[in-house]
Order: sequence, then C-alpha cells, then structure tokens
Amino acid sequence: EADIYQTPRYLVIGTGKKITLECSQTMGHDKMYWYQQDPGMELHLIHYSYGVNSTEKGDLSSESTVSRIRTEHFPLTLESARPSHTSQYLCASSDGLISGNTIYFGEGSWLTVV
Amino acid sequence: GQQVMQIPQYQHVQEGEDFTTYCNSSTTLSNIQWYKQRPGGHPVFLIQLVKSGEVKKQKRLTFQFGEAKKNSSLHITATQTTDVGTYFCAGPTTDSWGKLQFGAGTQVVVTP
Repeated sequence: EADIYQTPRYLVIGTGKKITLECSQTMGHDKMYWYQQDPGMELHLIHYSYGVNSTEKGDLSSESTVSRIRTEHFPLTLESARPSHTSQYLCASSDGLISGNTIYFGEGSWLTVV
Repeated sequence: GQQVMQIPQYQHVQEGEDFTTYCNSSTTLSNIQWYKQRPGGHPVFLIQLVKSGEVKKQKRLTFQFGEAKKNSSLHITATQTTDVGTYFCAGPTTDSWGKLQFGAGTQVVVTP
C-alpha cells in the first residue's frame, strides 16, 4: 500500500458551504490526481498536477478547484457545494516513470451534500 | 479519442467457478495495468503488463496482454468470495503525460 492520505474520510455538509478535501502523499511523487467516482461506477479524472505550481483540468468537468503549492499536498476545494457534488473523491499519485505510471490511490473522501 | 472498454460490465459467479473479463483499447498501449476495488474501498494496483503476449500469474489470477498490445484479459480460477469487487484495466493516455485511461470496470459478485 502507498502512503497517500485523505481527510476527511466522510463528510455531510449543507448546500452552499465551502469545503476543502485534503490529500497528502509521503512518497515524493511529482504527479497527483483527483478522481470522482459514484458508487459502483467509473473513475472520472477531474484534476491533475505534474508538479508544484502546475494544475490541469481532467476529462470530466468539475466545479471544484485544486492547488499544488507543495509536492506532497494537493487539496481540492468546492466553493459552494451542491447536492450534485455528492460523490466519492479519490486522490492519487504516481512517480510517472519508474513504475510505468502506476497510480496509487488514497482511501477516498465520501462527500454528501444535503 | 482514446477509449478503453471492458466486458462484461457485471459478472455473477458461483463460488468455485472460473471466469474471464476482457479489456480492449482503441489504441496500441505501451503497457496495461489492472486494479481491484473492493466494495466501499479504493482501487488498488494489481499488476502491469508491458510486453506483447505477456502472461503473468498471481495465485488464482492470470493476466494476459494481447499480441497487438490493444487488449488484455484477466482470468480467475476457482473464484472465492474474496474476489468480490470491481476490476479496472487502464492504459497510458496517448499524450504520454502520465495519466491513465481507465475502463469502466467489471463488477464481480460471487455467490456461495
């Protein structure tokens, strides 16, 4: 198992609230990702970063934003949560070269917006 | 754009039976990876295949990479309840940036 941590694991918040999902990895990986996944469904890439101060939007449009100020930290923020944001958010990282882009996932953050 | 497709989407298996799930890419892949996600859990890396025609085994799981490097299969023998979960295949995206294109997954249910 990889050393990648997400907090909170479970969160229920009201509509309109601002929320930040934290993600940290201790492996020194340059590349980090955020995936959104509804239960039993596909993994959708919503953000990725190839290093400090780089962020890109993924394949699935998302109202969330991310930042990468430190290599180990890749938080995701929703400025104004809506019920449609209810989902599981998975943070991941990879070293991109040595392991052939093998991706290591955190345990996920389950977000419910009421 | 690049697509990775998996079939079947769902697989109900009697405990002790064998089954195979398939992964097909619209483009040639430099490697293919398989992940397993247990119900309520997160995807966990299982294996990576790199060479054309490569076959790798992990206990009761056999992974194969096609000769054209556009398809792969996962075969599980003597299915156990611990095999329950969703199996995803994934290949590097064509932009070679470091992203993976995941298939939609095969959800496996095992009945005792």
